[in-house]
Amino acid sequence: QKEVEQDPGPLSVPEGAIVSLNCTYSNSAFQYFMWYRQYSRKGPELLMYTYSSGNKEDGRFTAQVDKSSKYISLFIRDSQPSDSATYLCAMSADGANSKLTFGKGITLSVRP
Amino acid sequence: DAMVIQNPRYQVTQFGKPVTLSCSQTLNHNVMYWYQQKSSQAPKLLFHYYDKDFNNEADTPDNFQSRRPNTSFCFLDIRSPGLGDAAMYLCATSRTGQETQYFGPGTRLLVL
Repeated sequence: QKEVEQDPGPLSVPEGAIVSLNCTYSNSAFQYFMWYRQYSRKGPELLMYTYSSGNKEDGRFTAQVDKSSKYISLFIRDSQPSDSATYLCAMSADGANSKLTFGKGITLSVRP
Repeated sequence: DAMVIQNPRYQVTQFGKPVTLSCSQTLNHNVMYWYQQKSSQAPKLLFHYYDKDFNNEADTPDNFQSRRPNTSFCFLDIRSPGLGDAAMYLCATSRTGQETQYFGPGTRLLVL
């Protein structure tokens, strides 16, 4: 079993839809959870960061972490064509200075 | 603006011909990372510098080397590139106590 599993996609939704992206993990030591957005042929851009369990909201984006289920989610409300990108979940045991373990990423396409 | 800069953005090299990729940062972060990302795959950590201390991942081939002459710069040297080394190479930085890593735009390497 891989340490981090992410829904493979790709995912295509109409503009305005609510998008749910998910990752599961097996390492109970993970405490820091991140979502990165990566546009085609660009580097990953930090989108959301969460420590331990709970929810975090930033505009149209909400990150959820359920450590008891080893499950994290990213919700995008009122999705826009500009949200079309690959979304990578990442996690670590000790914050930024320890190794980040990434999911493979899911490619999202938002149709106008 | 403070940022992570990678040069060149695109690099074409011949099989077996050494190549050097560079990363610079204006964030004054003490930790720098090199990741390899192949198409549709998660970024894979090759090594990182914690200040001047070099930390190699166990499965990083000997063909990959790194240098960090000062806080701002870090280089990735591929001594004898093979066709399987064609990938996007991502540089990232972080600071002790910070929760996240910040990525540069990447260098796309093509091996002919």
